[in-house]
Amino acid sequence: DSGVTQTPKHLITATGQRVTLRCSPRSGDLSVYWYQQSLDQGLQFLIQYYNGEERAKGNILERFSAQQFPDLHSELNLSSLELGDSALYFCASSVQGGATDTQYFGPGTRLTVL
Amino acid sequence: EDQVTQSPEALRLQEGESSSLNCSYTVSGLRGLFWYRQDPGKGPEFLFTLYSAGEEKEKERLKATLTKKESFLHITAPKPEDSATYLCAVPLGSGGFKTIFGAGTRLFVKA
Repeated sequence: DSGVTQTPKHLITATGQRVTLRCSPRSGDLSVYWYQQSLDQGLQFLIQYYNGEERAKGNILERFSAQQFPDLHSELNLSSLELGDSALYFCASSVQGGATDTQYFGPGTRLTVL
Repeated sequence: EDQVTQSPEALRLQEGESSSLNCSYTVSGLRGLFWYRQDPGKGPEFLFTLYSAGEEKEKERLKATLTKKESFLHITAPKPEDSATYLCAVPLGSGGFKTIFGAGTRLFVKA
């Protein structure tokens, strides 16, 4: 158990809908990362937050948005969902969010878009 | 273009048959390289961070090494419980805040 929690574990929804994925980092960690993992793309970096502020952005679609709240939990919002958004979404956390900080991953949310 | 390439894509070993997994990278100004283990349907689990060429780290049957162009994960006398996907990753971008992962090597160890 990494100490990172994600909810829900599974999510099944329809195309065009909007969903919210939630992540709570390990106690004491200030930085949160979001990743998408699909069969054909591998693990893709989406976005990083540090202490409530966006720090780095990867290949995150405009239909996706995220934020980190004052209590340091984070939410990833996915809207206008398409079939291709079906994937595992992982959250990770680290102490300071530095380049070589160890990232601890949560168990993931499996999103299925029908 | 910054890239991380892992080989082989899949590796099948008999229990006790040692081997190596490769992670090659084309990144300017490497800040570090990570190795993770991932079981099916679960989040990646941290194994090692290597910071500079020549560095080596060990954990049980695993040993990670780093050169200026690639990293190896050596598995000595593997057991079936070592079966998993092994991922390597490097930090990129200004400040190194983006992390790029390789596609992984799926390891199968048969008893």
